[in-house]
Amino acid sequence: GAGVSQSPRYKVAKRGQDVALRCDPISGHVSLFWYQQALGQGPEFLTYFQNEAQLDKSGLPSDRFFAERPEGSVSTLKIQRTQQEDSAVYLCASSLSGRGETQYFGPGTRLLVL
Amino acid sequence: QQQVKQSPQSLIVQKGGISIINCAYENTAFDYFPWYQQFPGKGPALLIAIRPDVSEKKEGRFTISFNKSAKQFSLHIMDSQPGDSATYFCAASMTGGFKTIFGAGTRLFVKA
Repeated sequence: GAGVSQSPRYKVAKRGQDVALRCDPISGHVSLFWYQQALGQGPEFLTYFQNEAQLDKSGLPSDRFFAERPEGSVSTLKIQRTQQEDSAVYLCASSLSGRGETQYFGPGTRLLVL
Repeated sequence: QQQVKQSPQSLIVQKGGISIINCAYENTAFDYFPWYQQFPGKGPALLIAIRPDVSEKKEGRFTISFNKSAKQFSLHIMDSQPGDSATYFCAASMTGGFKTIFGAGTRLFVKA
C-alpha cells in the first residue's frame, strides 16, 4: 500500500514569505506527527494530531508555525513570514494509534529560506 | 531531562564487522526505545525497538541491548554490509506522551 507522502519535496522561499507543506498519511492512521530535521541532526518533534485534534503543539518553535488536520487525514504545516533559521527538512509521520506504535515517515519537504 | 545522547557521531566498519552505536537517556519515564535507519533523501524507517522489560532483542542481524539501571541502550549490527551504510537514530518515548525524542544520529559507513 501507499506510504506517507509529502509535497512539495523541495521548497525555496524568500525570507518573509509564507509557505504551506502538505502531508498525506497512510489511510486509516489515527495519529500524525510533524518533525523538523536540521542538517546533520535528528528529527525534533513539532506537533501531534489524533484524528483532527491537535493534542500537543509544544514543539512548534514560534507562533509563526501553525498546523492543521481538519478532517483527520491530510495535514498542512504552515510557516508564516519565513526566516533563514526555518531552513530544514520537515518530516511527517503517521501511526495506527499513536502511543508506542511504529511511526511511518514520509520523505520530507526540504525547505530553504533565502 | 528530555535528551537522548547518541555516540559515536560517525563510524566506519569493515564489511563483515560489527557496528555498535550507543545511546543514553535521563528520563526514567521513557518506556519505548526504537532505532531508526535513514538513507539520504528519505525519511527515517523503524529498524527495531525495545521496551525496558527485556534486556535484549534480536531481529536478524540487528540486536538492541538495554541496560535499565545505567539508562543506556545500544544497537549492534552483526556482519555489517555496505548496504547498511546510512544514518542511525536512537529514540525514546513514553506511554501517555506523544513526543518521540531522537538522538543526534550516527553516520555509518561500511567499507566493502
